[in-house]
Amino acid sequence: QSVLTQPPSVSGAPGQRVTISCTGTSSNIGATYDVHWYQQLPGTAPKLLIYGNNNRPSGVPDRFSGSRSGTSASLAITGLQAEDEADYYCQSYDNSLSGWLFGGGTKLTVL
Amino acid sequence: EVQLEQSGAEVKKPGESLRLSCKVSGYTFINSWIIWVRQVPGRGLEYMGRIDPSDSYTNYSPAFRGHVTISSDKSISTAYLEWRSLKASDTAIYYCAREDMNYFDPWGQGTLVTVSS
Repeated sequence: QSVLTQPPSVSGAPGQRVTISCTGTSSNIGATYDVHWYQQLPGTAPKLLIYGNNNRPSGVPDRFSGSRSGTSASLAITGLQAEDEADYYCQSYDNSLSGWLFGGGTKLTVL
Repeated sequence: EVQLEQSGAEVKKPGESLRLSCKVSGYTFINSWIIWVRQVPGRGLEYMGRIDPSDSYTNYSPAFRGHVTISSDKSISTAYLEWRSLKASDTAIYYCAREDMNYFDPWGQGTLVTVSS
């Protein structure tokens, strides 16, 4: 079980807004380490989606946004599109493990 | 353009050795750490460890320490992930990625390793 907890799945209809949570502890997100998000489309390698809690790399639509508060972080996707159907992972640093870690991943289904 | 090109799929028997490669281009190899990530089919991402190509300093996730070796050759801008004795449970897709600040971008295309008798 990952130290960063994500819901296994979320779903939404086209055009709707969905959020994916990433819950950590005082040794990772709660220690103010940055949270990053990755999108993994079916059969492809992960791709950086959000870095530094709320920053989008060039080319990532502004429908995607991130936030961090306390020991949790969230990824929000507005105006849901069929092409957003993918697995999403959060990532941060953990000072008790002295290393990087990923959340367990969340599968987004567009209904 | 920054690119990480990984070696091709492998099929091995338990107990055999294996080395995967990750060749980078588009940036100065020694300026960024390289990480390795495991993904068992149908499962999530697992951080394995990383290497600083400037001096080959490594650190590993506790779950993988002692079972794999990460190395690099700066003369050919390539990082490696190596096993001395594979197990069936090593069957997975392995990704390399550049560690940029404290996030990972870009990623290689992944290498599927199948270990079966």
